[in-house]
Amino acid sequence: GAGVSQSPRYKVAKRGQDVALRCDPISGHVSLFWYQQALGQGPEFLTYFQNEAQLDKSGLPSDRFFAERPEGSVSTLKIQRTQQEDSAVYLCASSLDGRSGNTIYFGEGSWLTVV
Amino acid sequence: AQSVTQPDIHITVSEGASLELRCNYSYGATPYLFWYVQSPGQGLQLLLKYFSGDTLVQGIKGFEAEFKRSQSSFNLRKPSVHWSDAAEYFCAVVIAGNMLTFGGGTRLMVKP
Repeated sequence: GAGVSQSPRYKVAKRGQDVALRCDPISGHVSLFWYQQALGQGPEFLTYFQNEAQLDKSGLPSDRFFAERPEGSVSTLKIQRTQQEDSAVYLCASSLDGRSGNTIYFGEGSWLTVV
Repeated sequence: AQSVTQPDIHITVSEGASLELRCNYSYGATPYLFWYVQSPGQGLQLLLKYFSGDTLVQGIKGFEAEFKRSQSSFNLRKPSVHWSDAAEYFCAVVIAGNMLTFGGGTRLMVKP
């Protein structure tokens, strides 16, 4: 596609509900990232894929957070038993390959509100 | 601790005035340096980046940034601000691989 596409754009979840956020990276991009952006703060790294391999998941805040990219293209970030502190914008990004300094392109984000 | 600092949370400038947004980093080595802009409800758009070479980097929308190794700074500048520049600006670094570490952001407001 022309850019990184994320869905849903907006999600309201009741506390305890599971949610799944989808990311379609730019076609052909090897690297895929997930970031979490709380209100009024900068994005914080969650996890990184190179093709289907999850090379870094050090930023995932708890074992309720799980990400996958089974075929090396579309990725899903799943949050189980959502809590209010999970309310944030979840940004997906992709880049052509894993080399340092490659331009990283961001999607518009999935806005999650947990009530 | 390694970090990226944007000292100004909010800045207000008049349309047509010059702009400088500050960014400092604390890493042992010189990282790759980036500035991104985020308009309300939008994703992050890359303005410019610095890897090596000329320390004055030109970007899109008339922005430029200067890397100063002695000050560990990478400040963003624009000579004349337009109302459409109102947005949140993020400085970011890459130390290894291509994982971005962001500062807390500076919200720019433009007065008519």
